Order: sequence, then structure tokens, then C-alpha cells
Amino acid sequence: EVQLLESGGGLVQPGGSLRLSCAASGFSFSSYAMSWVRQAPGKGLEWVSAISDSGGNTYYGDSVKGRFTISRDNSKSTLYLQMNSLRAEDTALYYCAKEPSATGYFDPWGQGTLVTVSS
Amino acid sequence: EIVLTQSPGTLSLSPGERATLSCRASQSVRNNYLAWYQQKPGQAPRLLISGASSRATGIPDRFSGSGSGTDFTLTISRLDPEDFAVYYCQQYGGSPLTFGGGTKVEIK
Repeated sequence: EVQLLESGGGLVQPGGSLRLSCAASGFSFSSYAMSWVRQAPGKGLEWVSAISDSGGNTYYGDSVKGRFTISRDNSKSTLYLQMNSLRAEDTALYYCAKEPSATGYFDPWGQGTLVTVSS
Repeated sequence: EIVLTQSPGTLSLSPGERATLSCRASQSVRNNYLAWYQQKPGQAPRLLISGASSRATGIPDRFSGSGSGTDFTLTISRLDPEDFAVYYCQQYGGSPLTFGGGTKVEIK
């Protein structure tokens, strides 16, 4: 069974940093592109970032470009999101998701980790 | 950026009824790369449909997707009590990947 388990969320002050992790199991992690998608409280879904299976290609949404960095460690089957210069509008539940065909849809999703940016 | 507009915002129906959800794109979606997800309260989204019309593994056949270009539809042929949820469309034919604002299907 495919499992994605996010961690690393929490309360951080504006301007601060946080590193999210997503531990994957139940599939050949190194064979699949992965993404982060977020959902602000009571709001819709927003794609944040994606990374290719090898890690050689990365992609970002405009709202996080230059502040967030996606990476992966295929030896540990783990996906990361380094978030710097955090803003109040980054407050959200952050999901990691597997891309079944590297074309950009998501299946499955983890349960998410909550990031709250507040002073 | 491709903007996806979902309508209606809320759909009030009874179990057993047919639900028709719309997703309209601001420009043509390449290769009809359009997915649908279901999200229940407190849960992560679940993939229902990819490629506009291909059901994901384990998804009941009462869920069907159709459409092409800029107009897409998710149909639930007969609503089961477990189908009351929020549904999102997502396009992956252009960058950045974008989602619609969602349609809530609620019990009438």
C-alpha cells in the first residue's frame, strides 16, 4: 500500500523558515515525480512545487518561487520542502502527492502537515 | 496561467439523484489533461478521474468524466450518501498546474 507521511509543520513567525518532510513507502519512490500542494484553512487547493523522479528538474508556483526549495533523497524515500521568508499567506495544510505518470496529476496524497505563520 | 471556473459553487441534491458538475477553462487544456478529485471534511483529496474521462483505480462507475478543450463535466449518476463532499477539477496541460475553486455537493 502506498503511504505518504508528512511532518515538520508548526507555528513560525513571519520571515521565518521551516522544512517539511514527506516519507514515502509502498512504491518505488525513485521512479516517480512528486509534488507539494497546499490548502489554506477553509479554502481551495494550490499547487506549490514539483520535482522529477531523479531530482534533476524542479518547478514552482509563482507565489513561492525564490522562497521555497523542493528536494528529495531517493535513498531515504523522502521528499522535502524548505520554506524560507514565510508570510502569513503561506499558512496552510501542506500535502505531498505522488504523480503517477509525471504529467501532473496526483494520486495518492498524504494527510498533510499544518504550517501556521503568525506572530 | 489557465484559470478553471467550477459551477455551481454548491449543489443541493438528495441521495439517488444525478449530479452534474462543470469545470470551464480560460483556454484550451492541452491533451485534455484534466483531473477530478473528491475531498471529504478532514481528509486529503482523492483522485477520481484523469485525462478528462479515465476513472482511477477503485473508483465506482457511477462517477464519469467527459468534455474536451475548455469545457469539462463530472457526472455522478446516482448519489450515494458517501458522495456528499467537495469536488475539485485540476488541469495539468499547462504550467503552472491549477485547480478550480471547487463544487460542494450537499444533502438537500
